[in-house]
Amino acid sequence: DGGITQSPKYLFRKEGQNVTLSCEQNLNHDAMYWYRQDPGQGLRLIYYSQIVNDFQKGDIAEGYSVSREKKESFPLTVTSAQKNPTAFYLCASSGLGTADEQFFGPGTRLTVL
Amino acid sequence: DAKTTQPNSMESNEEEPVHLPCNHSTISGTDYIHWYRQLPSQGPEYVIHGLTSNVNNRMASLAIAEDRKSSTLILHRATLRDAAVYYCILRDSNYQLIWGAGTKLIIKP
Repeated sequence: DGGITQSPKYLFRKEGQNVTLSCEQNLNHDAMYWYRQDPGQGLRLIYYSQIVNDFQKGDIAEGYSVSREKKESFPLTVTSAQKNPTAFYLCASSGLGTADEQFFGPGTRLTVL
Repeated sequence: DAKTTQPNSMESNEEEPVHLPCNHSTISGTDYIHWYRQLPSQGPEYVIHGLTSNVNNRMASLAIAEDRKSSTLILHRATLRDAAVYYCILRDSNYQLIWGAGTKLIIKP
């Protein structure tokens, strides 16, 4: 089946550790996105990429890093510089047209202990 | 960036139509209006989108005001499975979706 997979579903991290969240899509989409969602809030854009080996900062990129070495993959690293990393992280992909819908993965819930 | 305004929550009875409003008074001529919905602890799901004309699909209808400063998502016959947070979003020329807090739709049996 075509879609987006994120792993792991739940992740626990100690303060001061970096952690990488996986996102893979087999929809042949050019664009991929990472969002953060806090309880009761909407989604906030962390990073997005429209082409391999290129990505752009979103509204809240500080403390996060990404790579786009393959069209199918867009991993997100939450670094120790992110002061409040506990949140629900969502990956999405889409075509490049302004009418194109975004397809979302199931999300990763990160908790910092 | 253009923004959207939605009521925090709405209630409706099962098997009745639901009209979810959205204001986007600063919309630009090329912004598409998208609607997504999200169940608890899941990723958002696309519902419908439009530019100027009203749109229908198997999930819902989208009514867009003539001046494009507001729109309404219409669920023709709500079921308990339609209970979710509904987001009205503008997609700009930078291909980004600008998310608000959404409307929590409560369906009463």
